[in-house]
Amino acid sequence: AQSVTQLDSQVPVFEEAPVELRCNYSSSVSVYLFWYVQYPNQGLQLLLKYLSGSTLVKGINGFEAEFNKSQTSFHLRKPSVHISDTAEYFCAVSEGNRDDKIIFGKGTRLHILP
Amino acid sequence: DAGVTQSPTHLIKTRGQQVTLRCSPKSGHDTVSWYQQALGQGPQFIFQYYEEEERQRGNFPDRFSGHQFPNYSSELNVNALLLGDSALYLCASSLGRRDSPLHFGNGTRLTVT
Repeated sequence: AQSVTQLDSQVPVFEEAPVELRCNYSSSVSVYLFWYVQYPNQGLQLLLKYLSGSTLVKGINGFEAEFNKSQTSFHLRKPSVHISDTAEYFCAVSEGNRDDKIIFGKGTRLHILP
Repeated sequence: DAGVTQSPTHLIKTRGQQVTLRCSPKSGHDTVSWYQQALGQGPQFIFQYYEEEERQRGNFPDRFSGHQFPNYSSELNVNALLLGDSALYLCASSLGRRDSPLHFGNGTRLTVT
């Protein structure tokens, strides 16, 4: 069964600095990978997804992620963060047959410092 | 184009009671998944409905049940509520393929006292 590990529960970073949020997954088959963002008191919103092809995926709000099969990682990056990026970020994976569910990590809270 | 809508937004129940949460999927979506998100945690998969049947289920007791209607809307029922059932319940709709991202509603905040 698949699983997702987000290594950092909280990441503080100064405004306009770069950030990387780490995600590792465990799976015995090929996977689809996702990053979602959750703003306070809201549901989750898709940031980006990796299905196949180029391992560098670009998403909304200037975020990008790189799929590394050998390291089973899918880290999220942004070159310059803003106060508005303050939110909880969730990495997710689906695998197996076409009906399989999407499993989420525990999340990383991005805290932007002024 | 309406996204995923959930009702109610907040709910307070007493231990032992039963609750029903409702979800309307995004237009064009035929699959509904339900997640439980405890405070400070990631969403935990409860179950998924497709063509009015439960297609997959996570590690939740039988107290958690659901239903999908012909218009693809869905209900989540929880019986014999426990304090530990207090959480944000998220509904997500999709096209039911593993490459189809989930579209989430804003959730129902359930508090059990």
